[in-house]
Amino acid sequence: EADIYQTPRYLVIGTGKKITLECSQTMGHDKMYWYQQDPGMELHLIHYSYGVNSTEKGDLSSESTVSRIRTEHFPLTLESARPSHTSQYLCASTQGIGNYEQYFGPGTRLTVT
Amino acid sequence: GIQVEQSPPDLILQEGANSTLRCNFSDSVNNLQWFHQNPWGQLINLFYIPSGTKQNGRLSATTVATERYSLLYISSSQTTDSGVYFCAVLIQGAQKLVFGQGTRLTINP
Repeated sequence: EADIYQTPRYLVIGTGKKITLECSQTMGHDKMYWYQQDPGMELHLIHYSYGVNSTEKGDLSSESTVSRIRTEHFPLTLESARPSHTSQYLCASTQGIGNYEQYFGPGTRLTVT
Repeated sequence: GIQVEQSPPDLILQEGANSTLRCNFSDSVNNLQWFHQNPWGQLINLFYIPSGTKQNGRLSATTVATERYSLLYISSSQTTDSGVYFCAVLIQGAQKLVFGQGTRLTINP
């Protein structure tokens, strides 16, 4: 059973607000990822990290930013939310050495009004 | 980059039926995973199967890496099997999963 957590699960917020989506894992995984997904559609990688102080942009351009100052914590921040940011955001992690199985958190469903 | 194609895109079945979902990929991989996304949006790990065959209850999966495809079998379908099934691959030398577009499975009572 994967121990990866995301908060909040649901968020409705007005345009222009700053938000931070939290992601934590207790498995000691070095590699963590953020995906964006419209309901039932393909997942798109927006950020990833291979360890503390390592962050990279993914394949889909995103106005969000991430940080990784602790192994277990990989928060995603939107400085000024817009309706186009309405989506589901999924966090994942993997050990990445010898075992590449990726585990996902329950997701945050964001609605920007 | 690597292409991951899933078929069929949609599948509607009656409860009790069997189904086969397919995932084709265009390059050598060192990881392949099958996921089920439930109606609440959560991705559930079904199989981690870069090669060979695995079974878990009514579900089984086979990956033929040399021919670049994987199959997910669901037997005696139940309404709770409904949702979107994703295949995702990690190409050799890379660190990121590439997802297919998914198969939407609907099981009617």
